Amino acid sequence: DTAVSQTPKYLVTQMGNDKSIKCEQNLGHDTMYWYKQDSKKFLKIMFSYNNKELIINETVPNRFSPKSPDKAHLNLHINSLELGDSAVYFCASSQERGRGGQGYGYTFGSGTRLTVV
Amino acid sequence: EDKVVQSPLSLVVHEGDTVTLNCSYEVTNFRSLLWYKQEKKAPTFLFMLTSSGIEKKSGRLSSILDKKELFSILNITATQTGDSAVYLCAVGHNFGNEKLTFGTGTRLTIIP
Repeated sequence: DTAVSQTPKYLVTQMGNDKSIKCEQNLGHDTMYWYKQDSKKFLKIMFSYNNKELIINETVPNRFSPKSPDKAHLNLHINSLELGDSAVYFCASSQERGRGGQGYGYTFGSGTRLTVV
Repeated sequence: EDKVVQSPLSLVVHEGDTVTLNCSYEVTNFRSLLWYKQEKKAPTFLFMLTSSGIEKKSGRLSSILDKKELFSILNITATQTGDSAVYLCAVGHNFGNEKLTFGTGTRLTIIP
């Protein structure tokens, strides 16, 4: 059983297009995230949702819009794609909000490699 | 600005060697430090550390946190080719809204 699944795994698209990446988790976790990993393997948080509520919105262009229809899903829509958006996008989930302890560790999806040409 | 720095950036050793990976941090409202292993795809969780001086072990891997000096180390003994990966250090912080700030990772290559 896949715990955090993202689709698609690969996405190649032209500049200016609009695309979406979907994420679903079957762990019953309350919090979901989107992270961006650049070519140097640097992972940086973009968004965090807790029970469908946006709780973290880092400095991300407003071309990026997350949507959480329910706590098991967090999708990422990107408008007017630019070359610099090329990266691997990871979805993740965690159980507890804002607390240490065993529940803090994340479970990551396998990533979506986005290439903008 | 929150910062997590890992060293070395890359490391090449022979199978059987012991390696030590370093992670130092400066963040507001520290909550925990986590180590992940990333091979081709998703980072996989290794350890979470919240208390100073308590070593966590899993097989040949171990890790310890020093909250006074703001660093952690990850040790791997008797390395194997399957240990080749990028090792990521992340710090959980900002009480109330969990957020991980990642380091840039250490790329470890084990030569048979």
